[in-house]
Amino acid sequence: GENVEQHPSTLSVQEGDSAVIKCTYSDSASNYFPWYKQELGKGPQLIIDIRSNVGEKKDQRIAVTLNKTAKHFSLHITETQPEDSAVYFCAAESNFGNEKLTFGTGTRLTIIP
Amino acid sequence: GAVVSQHPSRVICKSGTSVKIECRSLDFQATTMFWYRQFPKQSLMLMATSNEGSKATYEQGVEKDKFLINHASLTLSTLTVTSAHPEDSSFYICSARDRGQSEKLFFGSGTQLSVL
Repeated sequence: GENVEQHPSTLSVQEGDSAVIKCTYSDSASNYFPWYKQELGKGPQLIIDIRSNVGEKKDQRIAVTLNKTAKHFSLHITETQPEDSAVYFCAAESNFGNEKLTFGTGTRLTIIP
Repeated sequence: GAVVSQHPSRVICKSGTSVKIECRSLDFQATTMFWYRQFPKQSLMLMATSNEGSKATYEQGVEKDKFLINHASLTLSTLTVTSAHPEDSSFYICSARDRGQSEKLFFGSGTQLSVL
């Protein structure tokens, strides 16, 4: 089955700086990679996703890059703000829409004002 | 994004009682919903896949008689924790795929269950 590793487990960044979270996956058949943000006591919120036919996707301050050859993908947050503080989870899925998501272990991001 | 509503958000119950959690897709139909369990500072653990009109598919190690799932309509799935015990205390989260949004997976707000 799929195995997703996520690093780092915790990350502290000065407000205004950039944050990068990295994930690797094991199943070369995986073709869909979403990122979720989870605030304390709430359910995960989809913030951005990418499919295997695309190498990079950007949405305002958030971007995701995918390297299929190396089987890793990354979340980039620029100009970080205090409200970006949360736990972020990456995930991977093969046969998009018909399989289960496999989640990473999460990264606790803290933005220092 | 699509809206998945989950209730209640928090429940406290006595040991031995049963608790029902509801998960609704508000603006789309979901033939498949998923139930997750999350312990503090840990990732999401898939418990079962809820299929509309048929039996749920449980992950290995999840007791189907303990965690009853009913997906009676295209917009509602329920999880009943039967004869709850303190070790069942956890954060339970449902999710659903929105076929109208390219099968993306959206989550409910979660239910914090505390069994005394």
